[in-house]
Amino acid sequence: DQQVKQNSPSLSVQEGRISILNCDYTNSMFDYFLWYKKYPAEGPTFLISISSIKDKNEDGRFTVFLNKSAKHLSLHIVPSQPGDSAVYFCAASYGGSQGNLIFGKGTKLSVKP
Amino acid sequence: DAGVIQSPRHEVTEMGQEVTLRCKPISGHNSLFWYRQTMMRGLELLIYFNNNVPIDDSGMPEDRFSAKMPNASFSTLKIQPSEPRDSAVYFCASRGTGGRYTFGSGTRLTVV
Repeated sequence: DQQVKQNSPSLSVQEGRISILNCDYTNSMFDYFLWYKKYPAEGPTFLISISSIKDKNEDGRFTVFLNKSAKHLSLHIVPSQPGDSAVYFCAASYGGSQGNLIFGKGTKLSVKP
Repeated sequence: DAGVIQSPRHEVTEMGQEVTLRCKPISGHNSLFWYRQTMMRGLELLIYFNNNVPIDDSGMPEDRFSAKMPNASFSTLKIQPSEPRDSAVYFCASRGTGGRYTFGSGTRLTVV
């Protein structure tokens, strides 16, 4: 049973527009959430994280929103750029930043020029 | 730092053969993780080590899979005998005290 779910396997967005990637989780014990980005033939790299004590974290063009009551988080990319085209993995853990990560299946984002 | 180093990058083998994947974590990182990526299941945790000791191998799919970490700078994931359904990309990641994972570039395994 998947504890971290990314229900959209792919997303296509026009350059300059907003990309919204969604993630749902089932385990209410999760207290730390992350997004990783993966380019072809490379390993996933850390993008942004959020602790359960917050509902928003921003880093440049990337913002992660957390809705604990809905067990839902989202990643917003504004404005989207062609270089953002990659697979985005949502991950969650309990035990804070030292907990072991459980990943979703990933969403492939394509940003078209 | 060279990051997490995995070898080989690609491996093609025949069904029934033994396959060994290798990983060198970042120096000073005390946790090491082996993941498998497939289209159907995404990134699955197979096993992880803390201070070279296997902590949780519940993700290892079958007894055909085994992993070792003889010292802090080296780990192996072995599949014996390999089967076509083992074809996937296998990632190694290490984690230091800061908590952030660093992944290697992966080994793409094809079993024919």
